Amino acid sequence: DGGITQSPKYLFRKEGQNVTLSCEQNLNHDAMYWYRQDPGQGLRLIYYSQIVNDFQKGDIAEGYSVSREKKESFPLTVTSAQKNPTAFYLCASSPGQVALEAFFGQGTRLTVV
Amino acid sequence: AQSVTQLGSHVSVSEGALVLLRCNYSSSVPPYLFWYVQYPNQGLQLLLKYTSAATLVKGINGFEAEFKKSETSFHLTKPSAHMSDAAEYFCAVSEGSGSARQLTFGSGTQLTVLP
Repeated sequence: DGGITQSPKYLFRKEGQNVTLSCEQNLNHDAMYWYRQDPGQGLRLIYYSQIVNDFQKGDIAEGYSVSREKKESFPLTVTSAQKNPTAFYLCASSPGQVALEAFFGQGTRLTVV
Repeated sequence: AQSVTQLGSHVSVSEGALVLLRCNYSSSVPPYLFWYVQYPNQGLQLLLKYTSAATLVKGINGFEAEFKKSETSFHLTKPSAHMSDAAEYFCAVSEGSGSARQLTFGSGTQLTVLP
């Protein structure tokens, strides 16, 4: 089945450690996105990528990093510089010019203790 | 710049009653508008989208939304609520062109359906 897979679903890390969240899609979409979701704040864009080996900062990129070495993969690293990393993280993809809506993965809930 | 305002962070309706979730947008160009639904600890699922065709858009699960340019609104409705409709709903607006298009989300409305 085509779709977007995020792993793991739940992740626990100690404060000060970097952690990488995985996002893989087999939809052959050009564009991929990372959003952060906090209660009552909707979804905020962290990073997005329109093509391989290129990505742009979103509204809240500080403390995060990404890579796009393959079309199907867009991992997000939450670094120790992120002051409040505990949140629900959502990855999405879009065909770009062909269609307009984004398709979402099931999310990763990160808890930093 | 685009933005989305969802009026009412929590809405409660009785089963069988009308569902109305409000969304107003701000956009400097004709927008593309979307409603998504999210169940607990899940990703977002597209309910419906407006892409400048018919102003009344029908989506999945009996939901529909009407684009009103004069009111800059895109409210979501369903004639009769079902218990399974309890979820969080997000309105989103999209601007830009081609692959540079990005979605901007509202803060969400939590819908509770009472038996």
